[in-house]
Amino acid sequence: AQSVTQPDARVTVSEGASLQLRCKYSYSATPYLFWYVQYPRQGLQLLLKYYSGDPVVQGVNSFEAEFSKSNSSFHLQKASVHWSDSAVYFCALSKNSNNRIFFGDGTQLVVKP
Amino acid sequence: DPKIIQKPKYLVAVTGSEKILICEQYLGHNAMYWYRQSAKKPLEFMFSYSYQKLMDNQTASSRFQPQSSKKNHLDLQITALKPDDSATYFCASSQSGNTGQLYFGEGSKLTVL
Repeated sequence: AQSVTQPDARVTVSEGASLQLRCKYSYSATPYLFWYVQYPRQGLQLLLKYYSGDPVVQGVNSFEAEFSKSNSSFHLQKASVHWSDSAVYFCALSKNSNNRIFFGDGTQLVVKP
Repeated sequence: DPKIIQKPKYLVAVTGSEKILICEQYLGHNAMYWYRQSAKKPLEFMFSYSYQKLMDNQTASSRFQPQSSKKNHLDLQITALKPDDSATYFCASSQSGNTGQLYFGEGSKLTVL
């Protein structure tokens, strides 16, 4: 079985601070991993994805994530957050190219001015 | 312009009634999906279709019936509505083989009284 765990339901940071949103996955092989963002009253949008290769992947809006096989993690990071980054962030996993996506419970990010 | 159109954005229904949620995508994708988001389960996979054929179904209840009349349409019929069906229903699409690159609509928020 496969699963995605986002241990933090809500994270609050000040504008300009650095950010890390945590994601742990459970799967016997290396999965396809993703981060999606959901702004209020909108659908989800893909931020970045990892299939293989360089464990650090760059995404839109200066977000990046680092895959760690030893830790079964795929944490999302940003060097300096902006108030407009306030949203819900979902980590997701897929087993292969034709399988469905499993989403974590999401982390609500609040950026204080 | 939104590439995935979901109608209606908001709807209220009474227990026992039936509703149809409409989804049309103009991205030229051949795979479409339904997800449900509620307070109890943040983002839950329901169905996936590829070339208008059902590929995966994780919804136990037969009260939920997807309908694909055209390649770019995937409607969701819900019968005998219950208050527990209250949720936001998201339609998504992707190009087969492009795992994780899901494009989401803005959702249809259903409230069952």
